[in-house]
Amino acid sequence: GAGVSQTPSNKVTEKGKYVELRCDPISGHTALYWYRQSLGQGPEFLIYFQGTGAADDSGLPNDRFFAVRPEGSVSTLKIQRTERGDSAVYLCASSQVGGKYNEQFFGPGTRLTVL
Amino acid sequence: GDSVTQMEGPVTLSEEAFLTINCTYTATGYPSLFWYVQYPGEGLQLLLKATKADDKGSNKGFEATYRKETTSFHLEKGSVQVSDSAVYFCALSESARLTFGEGTQLTVNP
Repeated sequence: GAGVSQTPSNKVTEKGKYVELRCDPISGHTALYWYRQSLGQGPEFLIYFQGTGAADDSGLPNDRFFAVRPEGSVSTLKIQRTERGDSAVYLCASSQVGGKYNEQFFGPGTRLTVL
Repeated sequence: GDSVTQMEGPVTLSEEAFLTINCTYTATGYPSLFWYVQYPGEGLQLLLKATKADDKGSNKGFEATYRKETTSFHLEKGSVQVSDSAVYFCALSESARLTFGEGTQLTVNP
């Protein structure tokens, strides 16, 4: 079956611009996660959705970052007024349900470069 | 807060050598522990997990034992192959979010 997909695979933008990153989770997975991975580092948690609602958004670095999942499937991560420090690989993952026992399946990531 | 510390890399081994990658953690409760692997050009994938103390996770010849007394989850393999070359991440979860270590780059030479 299809895994987690993310689009675009690469995004280059200019400082100050707005970007949207999309994630399609595995069908039937109710939990969806966003992480950010800087070069040479492990992924850092951003936000977790259970269904349509954000169950934990404590990892969002500031109010320029926002994510939605309006129908409980596809999610969009939105970054306003991008800064060079936002450059990273943004990873999406999904699991059947949320919780500490459940395997998270990761997508290939979107590489964001802010010039 | 929660944190994971992995041994510094990169690690370079010859084929059939024994592998250990150290991982220690800090958590307030009773986390689940994971090893994820990222092969070149591929996404993160789960290698193995353990959900309670003294559990041993195993997969593809890799093993790790959840040691609560030493707050550790070291990854081991008795005989590595060239195909094991990848970046390995130790991670924990106390709720739903994963907290990752910095990763250890493993290169296995023929």
